[in-house]
Amino acid sequence: EAQVTQNPRYLITVTGKKLTVTCSQNMNHEYMSWYRQDPGLGLRQIYYSMNVEVTDKGDVPEGYKVSRKEKRNFPLILESPSPNQTSLYFCASRESPAGELFFGEGSRLTVL
Amino acid sequence: AQSVSQHNHHVILSEAASLELGCNYSYGGTVNLFWYVQYPGQHLQLLLKYFSGDPLVKGIKGFEAEFIKSKFSFNLRKPSVQWSDTAEYFCAVTSASGGYQKVTFGTGTKLQVIP
Repeated sequence: EAQVTQNPRYLITVTGKKLTVTCSQNMNHEYMSWYRQDPGLGLRQIYYSMNVEVTDKGDVPEGYKVSRKEKRNFPLILESPSPNQTSLYFCASRESPAGELFFGEGSRLTVL
Repeated sequence: AQSVSQHNHHVILSEAASLELGCNYSYGGTVNLFWYVQYPGQHLQLLLKYFSGDPLVKGIKGFEAEFIKSKFSFNLRKPSVQWSDTAEYFCAVTSASGGYQKVTFGTGTKLQVIP
């Protein structure tokens, strides 16, 4: 089954404690991206990746890092989380630059 | 910079009523347009998309959208909504100028259908 898998789905952490949200897709898509969803703001792109070792900033990259060492994986790293990063995070992949996005189930992060 | 506006933030309809959700984008060049739906507690799924050709596109579950280039609009329509259409709807755009890398979403419209 084609899917995008994120882990963890739910996480409560404290300010400053580094965390990583993993994302893996089994569709051999070159393009992957991360979004955060906040009430009234919709989805905002954090980072995207066009291929292995190729990443670029989206609209709200501050406080986040990503890496793309393998085609299937695109982890999101919060080096020093802060309460304003409390949000619902979605990873997505697509086959081509203009194609539809396939989303993971989401990761709800709370930073205390 | 491309942007997307969804002016209806919350819409409440009775079952069988007709639906039209507005979407306007700012970019004047070549664009690809999408409508995604997010059912409660779930991730986003594609409803329909427009790349080129017939400006009236049909999607899943009886939804359709019309691309009107002169109005920079891509409104979503359904003739008769059902309770199961209760969800949040997002319009999204990618543009040729950015190599289609960046995807910009609207702020979403919450649709509540009353039985």
